[in-house]
Amino acid sequence: AQSVTQLDSQVPVFEEAPVELRCNYSSSVSVYLFWYVQYPNQGLQLLLKYLSGSTLVESINGFEAEFNKSQTSFHLRKPSVHISDTAENFCAVSEGYNFNKFYFGSGTKLNVKP
Amino acid sequence: DAGITQSPRHKVTETGTPVTLRCHQTENHRYMYWYRQDPGHGLRLIHYSYGVKDTDKGEVSDGYSVSRSKTEDFLLTLESATSSQTSVYFCAIRAEGRADTQYFGPGTRLTVL
Repeated sequence: AQSVTQLDSQVPVFEEAPVELRCNYSSSVSVYLFWYVQYPNQGLQLLLKYLSGSTLVESINGFEAEFNKSQTSFHLRKPSVHISDTAENFCAVSEGYNFNKFYFGSGTKLNVKP
Repeated sequence: DAGITQSPRHKVTETGTPVTLRCHQTENHRYMYWYRQDPGHGLRLIHYSYGVKDTDKGEVSDGYSVSRSKTEDFLLTLESATSSQTSVYFCAIRAEGRADTQYFGPGTRLTVL
């Protein structure tokens, strides 16, 4: 089974500053990688995903993540954050074609300050 | 938005009582999932279903049962609720036509006193 590590439980950052949320997973077998965002009192929404092809994937609201197979990482970045980006962010991994097994990290709370 | 609703959205109950949570979807997806979300643990899979009457266990299935008698509904039952089952419960569907991404419902906050 996979384990997904999000080392930072909270990341405070000032508005318009860059941010990186880290995600590492345990296995180097073929994986699919996801970032989900959860705003207060809401369900999870898909932010972006890597299935194949280019290792750099982007979301519509300016976040990007890069799949690094050698480091088994899928870090999430944004060059300039907004107050509205304040949310809990979860990294998730599924192994190969077994989409029934999603392994989630423990989450990173992105706290954007004015 | 994958047309997923959950009911109730909030529930407070007492230890030892049975509780049933409902997940309803409108898009005829085959796969449905129940997760629980707890601080420091992210989301953990309880049970999932791959069709009517077809279900399987996830990593934290003890104390939970599920049923799926119709494609659109996936029920999670706590036969005898315990305080350790206080959590936020999320239902999800797998969108097979959308790169197998999982989409989540709004969640049910359950408190067991």
